[in-house]
Amino acid sequence: EIVLTQSPGTLSLSPGERATLSCRASQSVSSSYLAWYQQKSGQAPRLLIYGAFSRATGIPDRFSGSGSGTDFTLTISRLEPEDFAVYFCQQYGSSLPYTFGQGTKLEIK
Amino acid sequence: DVQLVQSGAEVKEPGESLKISCKGSGYSFSTYWIAWLRQMPGKGLEWMGIIYPGDSDTRYSPSFQGQITISADKSISAAYLQWSSLKASDTAIYYCARHRIGGATKSDLDIWGQGTVVTVSS
Repeated sequence: EIVLTQSPGTLSLSPGERATLSCRASQSVSSSYLAWYQQKSGQAPRLLIYGAFSRATGIPDRFSGSGSGTDFTLTISRLEPEDFAVYFCQQYGSSLPYTFGQGTKLEIK
Repeated sequence: DVQLVQSGAEVKEPGESLKISCKGSGYSFSTYWIAWLRQMPGKGLEWMGIIYPGDSDTRYSPSFQGQITISADKSISAAYLQWSSLKASDTAIYYCARHRIGGATKSDLDIWGQGTVVTVSS
């Protein structure tokens, strides 16, 4: 089972700033089968990025994904007030089960 | 609109059985894998298993194998998650979600249900 470790656990930033979230895998994620999700309090997660760098439908271009192998990054170029939430990475390239990182909470500074 | 709608919150006692549902609409339900995920209070997401409604092919996480049963009824575009004997540790929010790539077992999740809160307490 691939273990995903996200860092930092909590990121405190102000609107307008740039956010960089990390997701590190315990072994290589094949074919960049890595996704990022946003979860706001009391809501279901929402798909942001799939295949490591492809934006899902309707996701603003301030969200971008990068990386390969064991190191992946989600970048939010200029934070909007609605971006403050918890972010999870997920790998789906290994044999089952597909696993999630523990999450990064992005909070307003 | 493409959507998954889950059944309502449940409060159960330890040892009771439970079956929750996830109904799809706005797309060909039979041709997309459906995943079930658990989120315990204040925690992250855990992948429990998937089902292909077209033929009910089901795969389980080893962590949940034997503890749950996933099923589907393609005639009414519904997937189910059930327990035969609940424990207090089953208290969580349970989500169903659709594989973005319909027939692929390896896929991210693009459509999510709203979640079903299950509380198990004596």
